[in-house]
Amino acid sequence: GEDVEQSLFLSVREGDSSVINCTYTDSSSTYLYWYKQEPGAGLQLLTYIFSNMDMKQDQRLTVLLNKKDKHLSLRIADTQTGDSAIYFCAESPPGGSYIPTFGRGTSLIVHP
Amino acid sequence: DTAVSQTPKYLVTQMGNDKSIKCEQNLGHDTMYWYKQDSKKFLKIMFSYNNKELIINETVPNRFSPKSPDKAHLNLHINSLELGDSAVYFCASSHNMESEQYFGPGTRLTVT
Repeated sequence: GEDVEQSLFLSVREGDSSVINCTYTDSSSTYLYWYKQEPGAGLQLLTYIFSNMDMKQDQRLTVLLNKKDKHLSLRIADTQTGDSAIYFCAESPPGGSYIPTFGRGTSLIVHP
Repeated sequence: DTAVSQTPKYLVTQMGNDKSIKCEQNLGHDTMYWYKQDSKKFLKIMFSYNNKELIINETVPNRFSPKSPDKAHLNLHINSLELGDSAVYFCASSHNMESEQYFGPGTRLTVT
């Protein structure tokens, strides 16, 4: 199976919260990332979390990490139409190299 | 001021041709990367250069040859293009091998 798995689509209404989920397989991952890809653009690093943390909050974004279940989630509060994009989860192994392994990405569609 | 830029943005060419994609970063980073994103949105590392030296060379056909004339540039030359080479190619850079990566906007390559 894939090393990093995400559901492919998520549809929410403007103003609601969005939760994008990700599971990974490498328990030795030291960094876990969320990237955003807007249409026609490259990937933009949104946030990342160290594996020794459970939660990280940055304005409207909340990242939750459950190491036992190897589950990572990204919650976007008060989702806006401008949040419509593809969100990639990625994990990075230890060893001094931050070459991440990416999931397929979740397309977030925000309805007005 | 674009941090990581790629040219061209779109490239349509016929099978068997040879083409190059250029990447430049003005962030002063030491490390640069090439990724391939296929039609299923899988993002895979192809190459990584650190201080103009090849560090990572994943399983990529030797028709693909990266060239780094200086730390700010990493070009990708592809010989004898095949249909399966059609994808979006992303360049990225990072301060060093242990830092987060900044991505370019991507080059959509279509081989007909």
